[in-house]
Amino acid sequence: ETGVTQTPRHLVMGMTNKKSLKCEQHLGHNAMYWYKQSAKKPLELMFVYNFKEQTENNSVPSRFSPECPNSSHLFLHLHTLQPEDSALYLCASSQASTSGEQYFGPGTRLTVT
Amino acid sequence: GENVEQHPSTLSVQEGDSAVIKCTYSDSASNYFPWYKQELGKRPQLIIDIRSNVGEKKDQRIAVTLNKTAKHFSLHITETQPEDSAVYFCAASKGNEKLTFGTGTRLTIIP
Repeated sequence: ETGVTQTPRHLVMGMTNKKSLKCEQHLGHNAMYWYKQSAKKPLELMFVYNFKEQTENNSVPSRFSPECPNSSHLFLHLHTLQPEDSALYLCASSQASTSGEQYFGPGTRLTVT
Repeated sequence: GENVEQHPSTLSVQEGDSAVIKCTYSDSASNYFPWYKQELGKRPQLIIDIRSNVGEKKDQRIAVTLNKTAKHFSLHITETQPEDSAVYFCAASKGNEKLTFGTGTRLTIIP
């Protein structure tokens, strides 16, 4: 499969659950990103990884824990979430050394009950 | 850090008319300005971008203009069609740094 893929596409979890979101890019890029998209809000950058190293953490609560085992895979581990964490979580990738153009995955629609 | 403001937040345009969305940025060192389109339930996709060494770029019905002095850039869509209905995001960055996105404009094309 080409481009950026994300699994699962939909996730419903209780506040005490632990789950993980997965992102995979097949574009040979070196940078990967997690964004949160809530209704009527801009895209909120959460984490940035360049060459597997985390280069940015935008004051994200510790209940969100990213993991980047290699340049093609990115995970977002979730635990003890709050209802306000319900949103669309988008993964993106880019060629870190060039323009900054980002390619987005289809997103995971997360609902916290 | 960079701050990007986008206006309007919603825009309704009669089919066939033109639509213009405007963004301003704060960091004069920013040199890359993409526009993304997000249709309902779909991922954001790049539709056009411009770099600071040019003032205008056109791709069929879509054009982007950049005014570096005033630090603003605009998206122009001519001869709008129903499939242009979507949320449009502007963004800015410098070099290979992260993109800073605007708040988005929901464009509705009225048949």
